[in-house]
Amino acid sequence: AQSVAQPEDQVNVAEGNPLTVKCTYSVSGNPYLFWYVQYPNRGLQFLLKYITGDNLVKGSYGFEAEFNKSQTSFHLKKPSALVSDSALYFCAVRVPMDSNYQLIWGAGTKLIIKP
Amino acid sequence: NAGVMQNPRHLVRRRGQEARLRCSPMKGHSHVYWYRQLPEEGLKFMVYLQKENIIDESGMPKERFSAEFPKEGPSILRIQQVVRGDSAAYFCASSNRGGDTEAFFGQGTRLTVV
Repeated sequence: AQSVAQPEDQVNVAEGNPLTVKCTYSVSGNPYLFWYVQYPNRGLQFLLKYITGDNLVKGSYGFEAEFNKSQTSFHLKKPSALVSDSALYFCAVRVPMDSNYQLIWGAGTKLIIKP
Repeated sequence: NAGVMQNPRHLVRRRGQEARLRCSPMKGHSHVYWYRQLPEEGLKFMVYLQKENIIDESGMPKERFSAEFPKEGPSILRIQQVVRGDSAAYFCASSNRGGDTEAFFGQGTRLTVV
């Protein structure tokens, strides 16, 4: 079965330290990979995506993610965390389904940045 | 506890017709979010509603699009006088409160305008 896993329910990082939010996937074919963030009282916001090309993609708010095909991972990273990065982060994979496509979502990871 | 239910899963409309997309949130959830995904794009936030109130509609096009979440019944995303560019997948998510709680997503409605 196709799936997306975010193995950590919560990640705690001190402000100024690097952060990583993990995502692994199990899908057939070549997926499109996405990261989204949900800040308190807001809808989801798109952060970045990987479709093809350079394995390291850069997105909004200083975030980046590295696609690793052999490990089927797409971890979200930031070199120096800010308290304002505290939010809920979702990884998603888009895969073909019939003549359209389907989004498969991870369960989300709560990121807490402490001052 | 059923998840977020969206219907229809697929909707075909001719240009100029109206499209109504329904979203029944998870039981106990009073917060609903609508998103649109265009081909080759990520999700784009459209609107955030609580029961009978629109909280944030900053992502909603100013014309032809409207959303509601009545006291009883599902949330409705309405698109009037559809055009080909409205063809997309529309996703709904719900949560039991605002803030940092997890939002659960429906499977989406694929709208095709012919």
